[in-house]
Amino acid sequence: GQQLNQSPQSMFIQEGEDVSMNCTSSSIFNTWLWYKQDPGEGPVLLIALYKAGELTSNGRLTAQFGITRKDSFLNISASIPSDVGIYFCAGRLVQFYFGTGTSLTVIP
Amino acid sequence: DGGITQSPKYLFRKEGQNVTLSCEQNLNHDAMYWYRQDPGQGLRLIYYSQIVNDFQKGDIAEGYSVSREKKESFPLTVTSAQKNPTAFYLCASSISPGTDTQYFGPGTRLTVL
Repeated sequence: GQQLNQSPQSMFIQEGEDVSMNCTSSSIFNTWLWYKQDPGEGPVLLIALYKAGELTSNGRLTAQFGITRKDSFLNISASIPSDVGIYFCAGRLVQFYFGTGTSLTVIP
Repeated sequence: DGGITQSPKYLFRKEGQNVTLSCEQNLNHDAMYWYRQDPGQGLRLIYYSQIVNDFQKGDIAEGYSVSREKKESFPLTVTSAQKNPTAFYLCASSISPGTDTQYFGPGTRLTVL
């Protein structure tokens, strides 16, 4: 299946710092989604992107659908301890394909 | 309360036994999916169903079987033919097959001893 390259693999940041992560693919996608997963739980949808170039915000989260349709990034501003978790990107062509996740640790 | 439920949360089985994981949704969604999650890997699609009494193989269907007799239920059976069944299994649903948003259940962690 398709592989989505997500980076970085892990991040350790101080509370209050901004975070940036991205996802790239060798294929073009029609949709990009970003999810957050807590340990032992199912992923929760954060942001959905449907158009190339689209920039969407959800509170302190901002995500963009790359112009080439092969990438997307997620930014988290002013991180707080509850931002801890694993963040996944997902791209859809016919079915969804998922990135390997970025593990975020926020140090109070 | 609308959502997707998976049971049990943790499941232990002996090698060689079949085991069935439950997935139920009360969102009135047409499409349902099963994914497998392993450490350090993205979610991989096992099976999906676009409508009752219909289902399609995903990327890693070997050793698994499903049924979709009711709209709200999509159970997954992990058979003894699955070579490495220990994993975290996630069920998801979407309003329709073409809808671009999937919602996930809480997952079932299966450990085969």
